Amino acid sequence: DTGVSQDPRHKITKRGQNVTFRCDPISEHNRLYWYRQTLGQGPEFLTYFQNEAQLEKSRLLSDRFSAERPKGSFSTLEIQRTEQGDSAMYLCASSAPGTGGYGNTIYFGEGSWLTVV
Amino acid sequence: QQPVQSPQAVILREGEDAVINCSSSKALYSVHWYRQKHGEAPVFLMILLKGGEQKGHEKISASFNEKKQQSSLYLTASQLSYSGTYFCGTEIYGGATNKLIFGTGTLLAVQP
Repeated sequence: DTGVSQDPRHKITKRGQNVTFRCDPISEHNRLYWYRQTLGQGPEFLTYFQNEAQLEKSRLLSDRFSAERPKGSFSTLEIQRTEQGDSAMYLCASSAPGTGGYGNTIYFGEGSWLTVV
Repeated sequence: QQPVQSPQAVILREGEDAVINCSSSKALYSVHWYRQKHGEAPVFLMILLKGGEQKGHEKISASFNEKKQQSSLYLTASQLSYSGTYFCGTEIYGGATNKLIFGTGTLLAVQP
């Protein structure tokens, strides 16, 4: 059973460029999450999917951010017109359906580091 | 909504014990604990559920006081490998299921 996989692991981009991150969740996990983490802070919730449906987007997610999960498997997070403030680690996580809804273990990938110069 | 963790940082010698606290202003269904080493992903440690059920690591213990909306993580006989930043993630009661709001983090350094 492979873990959550993210690609690329590191990305350096110039301000104003677009970047896309990919996440492959653990097989058969129907929930997929995106979080953002900056140095010294806890992960901040960005958005999550149940299968292909995007259930919630954080107010932190500006119009420049978009996430998709077209077939309910892998997901992409695109940032358009990057700004220096977007520099962070973007974490993907997934969880399996469980009984009762609450309390399912959420597993994180190793993250994609973005540096905007 | 972000839970507050205390202490912010703690330095231990191998073999010493530590307690990390997580306090929320909202009623909680569950508390999830993670450890993160520098530059790596958060690693799941355990879940404490409303009603007393626990799932997770055998060598790490924790408590969940539902009324006080607080959880504590107990690290006993610490080892060098325990070093890292510990985060609690909370599921707010009545909120979206499995959506975690993470705390401010506690940096733990274990020295030989």
